[in-house]
Amino acid sequence: GAVVSQHPSRVICKSGTSVKIECRSLDFQATTMFWYRQFPKKSLMLMATSNEGSKATYEQGVEKDKFLINHASLTLSTLTVTSAHPEDSSFYICSASEPTSIGFNTDTQYFGPGTRLTVL
Amino acid sequence: AQSVSQHNHHVILSEAASLELGCNYSYGGTVNLFWYVQYPGQHLQLLLKYFSGDPLVKGIKGFEAEFIKSKFSFNLRKPSVQWSDTAEYFCAFSDSSYKLIFGSGTRLLVRP
Repeated sequence: GAVVSQHPSRVICKSGTSVKIECRSLDFQATTMFWYRQFPKKSLMLMATSNEGSKATYEQGVEKDKFLINHASLTLSTLTVTSAHPEDSSFYICSASEPTSIGFNTDTQYFGPGTRLTVL
Repeated sequence: AQSVSQHNHHVILSEAASLELGCNYSYGGTVNLFWYVQYPGQHLQLLLKYFSGDPLVKGIKGFEAEFIKSKFSFNLRKPSVQWSDTAEYFCAFSDSSYKLIFGSGTRLLVRP
């Protein structure tokens, strides 16, 4: 099946620094990738939709200047948490979808293993 | 607002018991429906999905789900659970915007 990887799996950084997280689709081309945030014992909250070659679409309440998303190729999207603060500590998960049909969306999302960010 | 409700936050069963996890969504249009599973320490995996056609969908590992449009429901079932089914289960739906809306998840513990 489709495989999505994330790097790094864990990162610890100091407050005020920036952290980049990579999301790669390993065996398929993903025109669309998604970034989620998962709080402890809570569900996944969609942060933004990343489309290859265009600007990301952010969900309401997500600061686009703080969470920079770049989808430079069909297999790579990056999320950069800028000027990180302790409240940004969380589990960040990406997913990638491979178009399977025309017309109405029937895409299935494949999820990466997640990145645990801890901001000290 | 679009939302997904999973009524059971924690479920504890003994091996061989039957499982049914409830899922209701709130959206007036056509949807795609999914169940994802997250085993301890692992990433989300697709269990099954419904896009169209037969409302009874069979997934991996003996799971199935039934889409009942009139009830806006997509309950997950398994006739006989195993210890290895211990995991967190997420119901989700998407509309034509590609975005997935997740429920809050149900933690299943299967006792041997």
